[in-house]
Amino acid sequence: DIVVTQSPDSLAVSLGERATINCKSSQSVLHNLNNKNYLAWYQQKAGQPPKLLMYWASNRESGVPDRFSGSGSGTDFTLTVSSLQAEDVAVYYCQQYLSTPWTFGQGTKVEIK
Amino acid sequence: QVQLQESGPRLVKPSETLSLTCTISGGSISNYYWSWIRQPPGGELEWIGYVYTLGTTNYNPSLKNRVTILVDTSKDQFSLSLTSVTTADTAVYYCARGARVGGFDYWGQGTLVTVSS
Repeated sequence: DIVVTQSPDSLAVSLGERATINCKSSQSVLHNLNNKNYLAWYQQKAGQPPKLLMYWASNRESGVPDRFSGSGSGTDFTLTVSSLQAEDVAVYYCQQYLSTPWTFGQGTKVEIK
Repeated sequence: QVQLQESGPRLVKPSETLSLTCTISGGSISNYYWSWIRQPPGGELEWIGYVYTLGTTNYNPSLKNRVTILVDTSKDQFSLSLTSVTTADTAVYYCARGARVGGFDYWGQGTLVTVSS
């Protein structure tokens, strides 16, 4: 199985400041045939299901604000919220879908400082 | 707008079978991978398995041989059966659609299933 590990487990950021979440996979999730990273990011607010934010590591899902961005390749990835808003308080997960079993990181809780 | 809704018993006794159904509305069930994902209270997300609309399945080996996922395209539904449950199977169970670009783009609201005698 590909193990996905996020850091930090939690972080507190002031409104308007940048939040950065890291995700590391135990094996590369870069597909050698299409050069795409098979990694997604989700946002889960309290009492709600996860919401897809990014796919192919850096492609924003339709309707996701452009303050959210994803980067990285291979085994190391980052989700950045450029200017944190109150509605961004949530737990964020990364997930690899290169090979089954598809696996998620343990989550990073983002709060307002 | 695609919507998914889980249904089934909220309380299951240890050693019995957990059974859930996911009903899809607002979109086609065809040509997608449909998954079950669970999340223990306060815990992490675990992918259980998927069924493709032609019936192909893929399960998480962590659940060994306890899982069966079936699809009924005539009813726009797919189902989960998890046998020999224990308290460790207590979780919120989500059904979700596999996005064509990867990841899961539509999710049900989730249903908390408690395993208890």
